[in-house]
Amino acid sequence: RKEVEQDPGPFNVPEGATVAFNCTYSNSASQSFFWYRQDCRKEPKLLMSVYSSGNEDGRFTAQLNRASQYISLLIRDSKLSDSATYLCVVRNSGYALNFGKGTSLLVTP
Amino acid sequence: NAGVTQTPKFQVLKTGQSMTLQCAQDMNHEYMSWYRQDPGMGLRLIHYSVGAGITDQGEVPNGYNVSRSTTEDFPLRLLSAAPSQTSVYFCASSYSGDDTQYFGPGTRLTVL
Repeated sequence: RKEVEQDPGPFNVPEGATVAFNCTYSNSASQSFFWYRQDCRKEPKLLMSVYSSGNEDGRFTAQLNRASQYISLLIRDSKLSDSATYLCVVRNSGYALNFGKGTSLLVTP
Repeated sequence: NAGVTQTPKFQVLKTGQSMTLQCAQDMNHEYMSWYRQDPGMGLRLIHYSVGAGITDQGEVPNGYNVSRSTTEDFPLRLLSAAPSQTSVYFCASSYSGDDTQYFGPGTRLTVL
């Protein structure tokens, strides 16, 4: 079983819609959690870190549920430019990051 | 700052050939790592380094060697290329273990 699981999608949503992605992780000792964004044929870039108290950055809200071992990302008022693959990333002890396979989002006019 | 740079951008090898993928960063980051990304597999860690002279294996190290003689450079060597090593390779660096990882633009490698 992969350590970080995501629904690959694709999620097709119209502009202005709200969309949510979930991600589950298997290691209860995981310490840090992130969402990265990857555009087609480009490198991943950090979208936001995920904290136990939840955090918000503009139209993006990330939440962590340690008891159920899942992480969520909510995107409000979707823009065409939000079309990308969203990678759920978990760090256990040490340095190594564990990446989910990504969830593909396509925002249509 | 150029950030994280990788060369070459594209490479085609024949089975059995060896080559080195170059990675450099100018942000004075201690941590550097190599990932490979395959369709349907996500990114997988090959090797990483927590400072000059220190390297360690990741999830999929077989067939690859690394060294870290300077803070800036972290080359990845393919010893004897195999078709299974066809992939997109990303180098990343970060200031610390829990800090944002910055990725290079990637090297697209095809092994025939």
